[in-house]
Amino acid sequence: DAGITQSPRHKVTETGTPVTLRCHQTENHRYMYWYRQDPGHGLRLIHYSYGVKDTDKGEVSDGYSVSRSKTEDFLLTLESATSSQTSVYFCAISVKREYTGELFFGEGSRLTVL
Amino acid sequence: KQEVTQIPAALSVPEGENLVLNCSFTDSAIYNLQWFRQDPGKGLTSLLLIQSSQREQTSGRLNASLDKSSGRSTLYIAASQPGDSATYLCAADSGGGADGLTFGKGTHLIIQP
Repeated sequence: DAGITQSPRHKVTETGTPVTLRCHQTENHRYMYWYRQDPGHGLRLIHYSYGVKDTDKGEVSDGYSVSRSKTEDFLLTLESATSSQTSVYFCAISVKREYTGELFFGEGSRLTVL
Repeated sequence: KQEVTQIPAALSVPEGENLVLNCSFTDSAIYNLQWFRQDPGKGLTSLLLIQSSQREQTSGRLNASLDKSSGRSTLYIAASQPGDSATYLCAADSGGGADGLTFGKGTHLIIQP
């Protein structure tokens, strides 16, 4: 258990509303990631962070923004939710190994946009 | 751009059998290859991490191998049990951990009691 907590775990919202998902880690790992998982597409990277206030875009970043004001928290925001953003969102952290990093995932946040 | 493929997409075998799950990747310049397990409605659990300098890793009944030159990794499960039923995903790290992993779509494994 890498000490990752995602909130909320389930959310139903309406098109056009803003949504923020939170990822919290209990250790001070530098790298954090947001993925979405969809049938037929697998896991795709949305945004990642390599330190406080240091973030970058992933493969499917359109419509999403992130913030990291503290090492332990990585927030994913949907400014104006759309039905195509209905998905399961996973946060992950990279734990440094000898020459690389090993990814550990949270339990996921299931978002439904009506 | 790295692409990761897992074959087969689904597999059903009787309990007790040894089995092999396959993972192939297009760019051999990887830092590591990681195998995960995902149970329905749950997050991903890391099973094995093979660093680029290694050829295989073992954990209990699981053995993962890596052949970078051919762009392949296999996950071997010995003496399968019903509790092994899950989706198994492999992921390639092409960026040294900085920009995430590229995932395959997984193999859905069912072990019949």
